[in-house]
Amino acid sequence: AQSVAQPEDQVNVAEGNPLTVKCTYSVSGNPYLFWYVQYPNRGLQFLLKYITGDNLVKGSYGFEAEFNKSQTSFHLKKPSALVSDSALYFCAVRLFTDSWGKLQFGAGTQVVVTP
Amino acid sequence: DTGVSQDPRHKITKRGQNVTFRCDPISEHNRLYWYRQTLGQGPEFLTYFQNEAQLEKSRLLSDRFSAERPKGSFSTLEIQRTEQGDSAMYLCASSPGTQETQYFGPGTRLLVL
Repeated sequence: AQSVAQPEDQVNVAEGNPLTVKCTYSVSGNPYLFWYVQYPNRGLQFLLKYITGDNLVKGSYGFEAEFNKSQTSFHLKKPSALVSDSALYFCAVRLFTDSWGKLQFGAGTQVVVTP
Repeated sequence: DTGVSQDPRHKITKRGQNVTFRCDPISEHNRLYWYRQTLGQGPEFLTYFQNEAQLEKSRLLSDRFSAERPKGSFSTLEIQRTEQGDSAMYLCASSPGTQETQYFGPGTRLLVL
C-alpha cells in the first residue's frame, strides 16, 4: 500500500527566510510525486511534480522540490518566503503502474509566513 | 478562464435530503476525478472517469453516492439520504491523461445539518 506523510502540521517562517515543507512517501514501485497548494475556501493549485529525470524539480511561484529516492522524500523548498505563501500545502503520490492515476495525499502542512 | 468549474460552491442541506453537484472539466480533458476533503485532512479519492466510463470507485463511495459523466464532458455527483458525516468539501479534477497533472476545481462545500 502506498502512503504519504507530512510530518509537520504547521511551519512558521519569517518573510525573506527559506521555507521547507517536508514530505516522505512509501510505495512499492516508482512514484510520481506532486505538490499542491490550497488557499482558504479554494481548490488545490498545482505547484510542481516529479515524474522522472532530474531530481531537482522547479515549479510555480519560485518553489522547487528535490526527489530523494534513498530517503523516500520529496521536500518542497523556497529560498525566500513571502507573506502571500501562507497557505495549506499538500504532497501527493501516485504509482507509476497505476493506470487510473489516482492521487493519494498527505494530511497537509499549514505554512504561516510572518512579515 | 478555462479551468475546472464546480457548481454550487456551497450547499447546506438537512439530513436525509438528496444533493447533486456538477463538475465541468477543462475542455478536451478525458479523465475526471472526484475527491472528498474533510477538515484537517488531505483529499481522498472517490471515483474516476475516462471519458464516459466510470473505471474505479473507492470504498468511501457508499451505495448512497452515485456519479455520472453521460457524454464524457461534465460530471455529476449525487448523494442520496445525506448524513452529517457527508459534510465535506467535494473536489473535482481533470487531466488529459494519467501521465499528466490533475487540475482541480474550486470545490463544493457541503454542510449537512
